Amino acid sequence: GDSVTQMEGPVTLSEEAFLTINCTYTATGYPSLFWYVQYPGEGLQLLLKATKADDKGSNKGFEATYRKETTSFHLEKGSVQVSDSAVYFCALSRAGSNYQLIWGAGTKLIIKP
Amino acid sequence: EPEVTQTPSHQVTQMGQEVILRCVPISNHLYFYWYRQILGQKVEFLVSFYNNEISEKSEIFDDQFSVERPDGSNFTLKIRSTKLEDSAMYFCASKGTNSGNTIYFGEGSWLTVV
Repeated sequence: GDSVTQMEGPVTLSEEAFLTINCTYTATGYPSLFWYVQYPGEGLQLLLKATKADDKGSNKGFEATYRKETTSFHLEKGSVQVSDSAVYFCALSRAGSNYQLIWGAGTKLIIKP
Repeated sequence: EPEVTQTPSHQVTQMGQEVILRCVPISNHLYFYWYRQILGQKVEFLVSFYNNEISEKSEIFDDQFSVERPDGSNFTLKIRSTKLEDSAMYFCASKGTNSGNTIYFGEGSWLTVV
């Protein structure tokens, strides 16, 4: 069945460091890919998405490119801030499944000043 | 910006009690979902609802769970007889026909069963 694999956390970085959180997926057909973020004590917020191969999603300085050949959707940011500390979830959905989301385990990101 | 709202934000209940979690999806959205996240674990799909009926449900969504859209705005999740392992954050979500495949989530209802 469909699945999403994320790098394990926590990931601890200093402010202004470069961030990469790896995400790979297994799916039939052509899923859409998402990154959601969960700040401490809050709900799930959509960070960015990509719906087809080679699409790049971006938001708040974060980027991820849909790579069909490597079945990956890695999250990157050039210079992280303390306020980026959160749990980041990679997810996929397929139209034929009522757009149900399949989730990765989440990666906790800790940014130190 | 329209948002999904959930109540209560936190509920503590005795084992064996019934719980109803309430959600108001984004107006004009037609797809509704419940997900849950046990502390420290993955987000798990429970159920999807479309056209006034369940369209898909997971193995977690057994006879103890039910969903209802009692009027044009609310979408509820009922757990008939709660167990300790039902303690989790429950997220309601909705999707419109014009939002592509983007699902919007509420802030969650944290259920603690004691």
